[in-house]
Amino acid sequence: GDSVTQMEGPVTLSEEAFLTINCTYTATGYPSLFWYVQYPGEGLQLLLKATKADDKGSNKGFEATYRKETTSFHLEKGSVQVSDSAVYFCALNQPRGSEKLVFGKGTKLTVNP
Amino acid sequence: EPEVTQTPSHQVTQMGQEVILRCVPISNHLYFYWYRQILGQKVEFLVSFYNNEISEKSEIFDDQFSVERPDGSNFTLKIRSTKLEDSAMYFCASLRSNSPLHFGNGTRLTVT
Repeated sequence: GDSVTQMEGPVTLSEEAFLTINCTYTATGYPSLFWYVQYPGEGLQLLLKATKADDKGSNKGFEATYRKETTSFHLEKGSVQVSDSAVYFCALNQPRGSEKLVFGKGTKLTVNP
Repeated sequence: EPEVTQTPSHQVTQMGQEVILRCVPISNHLYFYWYRQILGQKVEFLVSFYNNEISEKSEIFDDQFSVERPDGSNFTLKIRSTKLEDSAMYFCASLRSNSPLHFGNGTRLTVT
């Protein structure tokens, strides 16, 4: 079945550092890819998404590019802030399905001032 | 902005007891979901619900689990006889066509 693998956390960075969180997937066909974020005490929120190969999703300074050749969707941000501290989840779903998401384990990011 | 509301935020129960986790989805949403996350593990799909019936369920969603939308606003997940391994964070989510999935803040279920 479909699956998502994310880099293990936790990740600790200083403010203004560059962030990469790796995500690779295994899926049939052409899934849509997502990054969700969970801030402390809150639910999962959609951060960005990409629906086809070479699409780049972006939001709040975060970016991820759908790479079919490497089955990857790595999350990047050029300069992190303390407020970016959260757990980040990579996920996929199959289009025209039930919108069921397949998630990775999540990567906890802590940004120190 | 409207949001998905889950209650309670934390539920502690004894093994073998029944629990009901409650969710109020966003009012004009049509598709409803339950996911769970065992501590340190992946967020896993449990069940999806549309037009007053289950549209898909995972292997996890066995006969001990049931869902209901009793009154047009609440969406509940019932576990009939809880086991220790049911301890997890349970997330409700809802969706309107062509919109992102909206998640609640979750209910942490602890089975002792």
